Amino acid sequence: DAKTTQPPSMDCAEGRAANLPCNHSTISGNEYVYWYRQIHSQGPQYIIHGLKNNETNEMVSLIITEDRKSSTLILPHATLRDTAVYYCIVITPNFGNEKLTFGTGTRLTIIP
Amino acid sequence: EPEVTQTPSHQVTQMGQEVILRCVPISNHLYFYWYRQILGQKVEFLVSFYNNEISEKSEIFDDQFSVERPDGSNFTLKIRSTKLEDSAMYFCASSPDRENYGYTFGSGTRLTVV
Repeated sequence: DAKTTQPPSMDCAEGRAANLPCNHSTISGNEYVYWYRQIHSQGPQYIIHGLKNNETNEMVSLIITEDRKSSTLILPHATLRDTAVYYCIVITPNFGNEKLTFGTGTRLTIIP
Repeated sequence: EPEVTQTPSHQVTQMGQEVILRCVPISNHLYFYWYRQILGQKVEFLVSFYNNEISEKSEIFDDQFSVERPDGSNFTLKIRSTKLEDSAMYFCASSPDRENYGYTFGSGTRLTVV
């Protein structure tokens, strides 16, 4: 699976949009971009994934560049509960049998 | 929303003792996993389990580790002779047998070996 690079930490004011970048310049055609987050040593939580189109759910948006070499996770109105470590992971889908390789992620701190 | 349940939340054991960490995956999920996270370090893959057998394991998952699905609901991780360096958070996860579906992780068991 392709390697990803994320900034180690970011701050964002409560109520503002948090934009979390991820570089995955070696991504191959069949690899998906997944995002998970981990709130204070709890189990990681799946957030969203995408292949090449932008994706949105009730919580976040995922913007993938046209060349697929980078992506941005957007939390449109960050709250204090969004303080967490966010992981960008590139995966080749395999019908559920996908080993997740976690990096160090981005520690996002939401400031009141 | 369905959850992955792990018990106990915290276990303290003496070095050399055997421990069993328990997990109840989501009922219609078919893939089960164990990950661990040593304090301050990355989340690491240990093992994946499908159709009553190990489908993949990492280098960490040596002979002291074993997994089992003893009945239709539980999924266990046994550490045979614990070492100090086994102290970590252990996370169970499950996923359905289809593509592009994120894992659901449990809240973890904090194992402390003394």
